[in-house]
Amino acid sequence: GQNIDQPTEMTATEGAIVQINCTYQTSGFNGLFWYQQHAGEAPTFLSYNVLDGLEEKGRFSSFLSRSKGYSYLLLKELQMKDSASYLCAVMDSNYQLIWGAGTKLIIKP
Amino acid sequence: EADIYQTPRYLVIGTGKKITLECSQTMGHDKMYWYQQDPGMELHLIHYSYGVNSTEKGDLSSESTVSRIRTEHFPLTLESARPSHTSQYLCASSDGTEINEQFFGPGTRLTVL
Repeated sequence: GQNIDQPTEMTATEGAIVQINCTYQTSGFNGLFWYQQHAGEAPTFLSYNVLDGLEEKGRFSSFLSRSKGYSYLLLKELQMKDSASYLCAVMDSNYQLIWGAGTKLIIKP
Repeated sequence: EADIYQTPRYLVIGTGKKITLECSQTMGHDKMYWYQQDPGMELHLIHYSYGVNSTEKGDLSSESTVSRIRTEHFPLTLESARPSHTSQYLCASSDGTEINEQFFGPGTRLTVL
């Protein structure tokens, strides 16, 4: 079967750095996405990786290792507004997104 | 800015009722999707469409139907709602480019009594 694994919940301090990991097993691979979802709201796109390596976008970076079936999202200089769920999703061989259950990130002052 | 809309935002209905959840996008995207999401859980694909008159079922059988008569409109219908249908329903669209990023509507939170 196909599955995406990520931690259920993480806690970090305002101003710090946090890394959210995601491992996946899917039938085929056509890219990995990270989305942010605030409570009660719709997911919004953060990043996309299809080749191995690090993609940096402001305070957020995303890393991919296809051979290990592994990705992480790195958030720097954490702000209170970063409190949200972070969803990892992989596009499979049918170009459908397989979603993880999300990691709830709690930021403390 | 993504322009994708869903109505109603909240709906409480009784068992056995027929309901239609509306979704519209003004971006001219060919691909549209319906997902179901319970709190703290992953998104499950219910239906998708790659263009007008094209609809496919996703992994989750939710006893619902969809139609795609116009590019911008992708309604979801439950013929007979049950308490097990209580969930958040998210509509999304994508432009089919290399990244194929999906843009989401605000969602409809459905409660079936």
